[in-house]
Amino acid sequence: QVQLQESGPGLLKPSETLSLTCTVSGGSIRHYSYYWTWIRQTPGKGLEWIGYIYYSGNALYSPSLKSRVTMSIDVSASQFSLTLSSVTATDTALYYCARGVVTGTGYSLDYWGRGTPVTVSS
Amino acid sequence: DVLMTQSPSSLSASVGDRVTMTCRASQDMNSHLNWYQQKPGKAPKLLISAASILQSGVPSRFSASGSGTDFTLTITGLQPEDFATYYCQQSFSAPFAFGPGTKVDV
Repeated sequence: QVQLQESGPGLLKPSETLSLTCTVSGGSIRHYSYYWTWIRQTPGKGLEWIGYIYYSGNALYSPSLKSRVTMSIDVSASQFSLTLSSVTATDTALYYCARGVVTGTGYSLDYWGRGTPVTVSS
Repeated sequence: DVLMTQSPSSLSASVGDRVTMTCRASQDMNSHLNWYQQKPGKAPKLLISAASILQSGVPSRFSASGSGTDFTLTITGLQPEDFATYYCQQSFSAPFAFGPGTKVDV
């Protein structure tokens, strides 16, 4: 059974850099069909797709966050990471990692982590 | 960017009811639409991909249809475990936005 687990600091100050890691177990991170994805959720904005990274290291980010987001992947460790710079209170959210799967019928998120809360506050 | 709307934002139902909710996209997405169920304190769970493909293990009381800009999710014979919030997500073009959700409660 594929499992994903987010980890990282839960409290940041404004202007700091958020760094989260997702550890994948029970399946290979190196698969041509999988796009390792970050999503966040807030009561106000709902679910927001942040972006994904492929095992090759190629990544695609949401345009609204692109200037502040970097994703990376460590295939040997079965981990992928999210970095979000210059955080503000609006980045306070529950951050999820998920496995995106691309088939002939499209892209969907079939396995999710439990989510990790991140609060930005001075 | 493709914008997603869902209606209603919430609905009240009873066990055994047939429940239908809709998702609308701001542009034609063919069948590139997913549905997720989220219960309080849990991550979303993929129910349906490609507008109508039921995922393995998802009860057959869930069904979905649609293409283009208008999509529906139907639960036939609502069960107690189905009280949750349901989100659609477009998978046509990045950013792969989610709808605001439809909350199904008692």
